[in-house]
Amino acid sequence: AQTVTQSQPEMSVQEAETVTLSCTYDTSESDYYLFWYKQPPSRQMILVIRQEAYKQQNATENRFSVNFQKAAKSFSLKISDSQLGDAAMYFCAYRGFNDYKLSFGAGTTVTVRA
Amino acid sequence: AAGVIQSPRHLIKEKRETATLKCYPIPRHDTVYWYQQGPGQDPQFLISFYEKMQSDKGSIPDRFSAQQFSDYHSELNMSSLELGDSALYFCASSREGENEKLFFGSGTQLSVL
Repeated sequence: AQTVTQSQPEMSVQEAETVTLSCTYDTSESDYYLFWYKQPPSRQMILVIRQEAYKQQNATENRFSVNFQKAAKSFSLKISDSQLGDAAMYFCAYRGFNDYKLSFGAGTTVTVRA
Repeated sequence: AAGVIQSPRHLIKEKRETATLKCYPIPRHDTVYWYQQGPGQDPQFLISFYEKMQSDKGSIPDRFSAQQFSDYHSELNMSSLELGDSALYFCASSREGENEKLFFGSGTQLSVL
């Protein structure tokens, strides 16, 4: 079974600053996918970024980027130039290459200070 | 663009009643997934279907059943409801071969009183 650990229950960031959310996972598989999802107060689950484990290059989506360290089983999310609309719960998630299900971490609540 | 549609958005039931949640996947998506998110918790995988067949099963109680129909929509049936079933139920869909591209619906908030 895979486990996903987010060790930061809450993070606070000043508007326009940068914040990094940590995520570690445990797996015996070599091929898999990692995700960061954003859940704002509306509770909609929104995909922020996706990383394929076989790709060494870190994924980037505008102000969001990841630091994927496969050997360390670490997958952190960096939010640059934070905006008020970034305030949400962020979930790290894992999916095995041939799996259907996603395994989520416990989430990190991000607060953005104006 | 069309998204995953879930109905109803909100549902209030009494203990021991039955509830049915519906999910309409994105057109041409053949795989649907159900997740349960309790208050303050992360989503937990319940069950998934590919081409109308169960493809994976997670922590779904025996009181719950689900199926996928010929038009690919799915229904989650919940019987003998308990207070602990109060949660946000998400449906998601994807297309086989692109299962890493998962799209979530807005969820059904179930409250059991």
